[in-house]
Amino acid sequence: GAVVSQHPSWVICKSGTSVKIECRSLDFQATTMFWYRQFPKQSLMLMATSNEGSKATYEQGVEKDKFLINHASLTLSTLTVTSAHPEDSSFYICSASRDTRRGGDQPQHFGDGTRLSIL
Amino acid sequence: GDSVTQMEGPVTLSEEAFLTINCTYTATGYPSLFWYVQYPGEGLQLLLKATKADDKGSNKGFEATYRKETTSFHLEKGSVQVSDSAVYFCALSERGNNRLAFGKGNQVVVIP
Repeated sequence: GAVVSQHPSWVICKSGTSVKIECRSLDFQATTMFWYRQFPKQSLMLMATSNEGSKATYEQGVEKDKFLINHASLTLSTLTVTSAHPEDSSFYICSASRDTRRGGDQPQHFGDGTRLSIL
Repeated sequence: GDSVTQMEGPVTLSEEAFLTINCTYTATGYPSLFWYVQYPGEGLQLLLKATKADDKGSNKGFEATYRKETTSFHLEKGSVQVSDSAVYFCALSERGNNRLAFGKGNQVVVIP
């Protein structure tokens, strides 16, 4: 159980276009989803935390207007990279967890990531 | 703030060798500790976890013990296989807050 599907796994597009990445929890309800960015051979950097039905909380230094996050349902969150440029090229990973208000530890379950290349 | 420190540099070793990857942490409360593994081109998979002092997490031959006195959570495996080649991340989350803070990761390469 606790499968997270991320789509697409790889996308190449021209500079200036917008790219949407989907993150779905397939067999559980994800109250909270997280979006990370990973540069080559580096650790994951948390970009934002999104709770179902509310606005995402962005980490310091992450542009809200650049990286639009929507978490409209308990099984789907989307990250849209708007007007993408080559410096936005990276590996983006989402994770999902169950309702932390239930108490106890609610581990994050990760998608397989999306490799974004902007030409 | 909370942070995780992993030993520097990749780890290269022969098949059936003993593996240790060091991890120490800084936290204000009593965090839960995790090891995640990332295979090439994939996301992260939870390898093991421990939620309180002296707990030992174990999975697939890997072990790590939550040491509060040394604020450490070192990962060990007695006999590695080529299939263990991956990047290993140590992470923590504060109790009641499942945000994860990751270490920089260690690339492990196992040579046949």
